[in-house]
Amino acid sequence: DAGVIQSPRHEVTEMGQEVTLRCKPISGHNSLFWYRQTMMRGLELLIYFNNNVPIDDSGMPEDRFSAKMPNASFSTLKIQPSEPRDSAVYFCASSPITGYSPAFFGQGTRLTVV
Amino acid sequence: GQQLNQSPQSMFIQEGEDVSMNCTSSSIFNTWLWYKQDPGEGPVLLIALYKAGELTSNGRLTAQFGTTRKDSFLNISASIPSDVGIYFCAGQEAQGGSEKLVFGKGTKLTVNP
Repeated sequence: DAGVIQSPRHEVTEMGQEVTLRCKPISGHNSLFWYRQTMMRGLELLIYFNNNVPIDDSGMPEDRFSAKMPNASFSTLKIQPSEPRDSAVYFCASSPITGYSPAFFGQGTRLTVV
Repeated sequence: GQQLNQSPQSMFIQEGEDVSMNCTSSSIFNTWLWYKQDPGEGPVLLIALYKAGELTSNGRLTAQFGTTRKDSFLNISASIPSDVGIYFCAGQEAQGGSEKLVFGKGTKLTVNP
């Protein structure tokens, strides 16, 4: 079975550019999560969706960040404009049922903003 | 926001030794999860715990959901070189039916052959 698929695996962009990260959750999973991982702050939840609806975006750092889930099999995380401090590994994860189920992670997108 | 305290931050052990790490929270959790992350990869689920007092094993790994519902530990017995990586605890808060997973900062394990 395919796991959570993220693209690209690596992204290098210049400050001020728009960045779009993509995620395909595991088929049949109802919840989708976007996390950011840095050495300083560890794994931080940015936003999560349940049945394609954003439930909690309190972790989104600022208005430059936005996330969408137009259907059950696709989600995007967009940063516009990007800044060097956005450099991190961004993970997408999905879980099979609503409430109290473990999340399964993709391999992540390593973003470098120069 | 909710914080998980995971300790130790790092461990250096010899192959064959047992390892123990733990996680505590300031609030009650309904679920405790343990993940392992290898370099360049996403966290991989090792063990999931859903009931206070639950003790679950997965091969050489054993984890327990603390009876207070505010802590959990993970033990690795007879460590081998491929156990190297970063281990994360994660929990889901009891209040509000939230599905949010809160993560600890991780325990970096180094195993010397």
